[in-house]
Amino acid sequence: GESVGLHLPTLSVQEGDNSIINCAYSNSASDYFIWYKQESGKGPQFIIDIRSNMDKRQGQRVTVLLNKTVKHLSLQIAATQPGDSAVYFCAENTQPGRGANNLFFGTGTRLTVIP
Amino acid sequence: KAGVTQTPRYLIKTRGQQVTLSCSPISGHRSVSWYQQTPGQGLQFLFEYFSETQRNKGNFPGRFSGRQFSNSRSEMNVSTLELGDSALYLCASSSGQGRETQYFGPGTRLLVL
Repeated sequence: GESVGLHLPTLSVQEGDNSIINCAYSNSASDYFIWYKQESGKGPQFIIDIRSNMDKRQGQRVTVLLNKTVKHLSLQIAATQPGDSAVYFCAENTQPGRGANNLFFGTGTRLTVIP
Repeated sequence: KAGVTQTPRYLIKTRGQQVTLSCSPISGHRSVSWYQQTPGQGLQFLFEYFSETQRNKGNFPGRFSGRQFSNSRSEMNVSTLELGDSALYLCASSSGQGRETQYFGPGTRLLVL
């Protein structure tokens, strides 16, 4: 089956620094990608999404970059704060055009912000 | 607007029993998807319901089933529970138009003894 993988299982950053979380995907037909944040004891929380017709999308303190050539996705968090500590998942919709919702998730990266 | 709600939040069952979990989507959302999250397998798609019909299904055995009601609320059922079914079960809702953000509930933590 298709897979979404993360390069690093853990990431530690100093408060105030920028964080970059990476994700590789294998299905070149995937056309929609989402980043989720999951804190302990909670369900995944939507952060930002991007469609395959875009290379970059910015939100509040977050930016997602999509490189379709190498099938790579990244999440950049500016001025990382202690509240950003969580597990971050990338997810892809591998069924473009079907109108169905079926997300494949990566294994997750645990981000730890050091005060 | 209220978020996705799931009940119960925690559940303990024994092997061989069956369990039913409930999910209420965000108001106006017609699609409900269910996921299983375990430390070993991560987040895995179970199935999706839209307008009371199962529209999509993952690779789980037939012991896992679900349904959706006319008000879009959904239930999932697991019969003949196994130890490996211990997991966090998450539901997510969306409007159902495809390739769109799914919003997750807090999950139901199931422990099978």
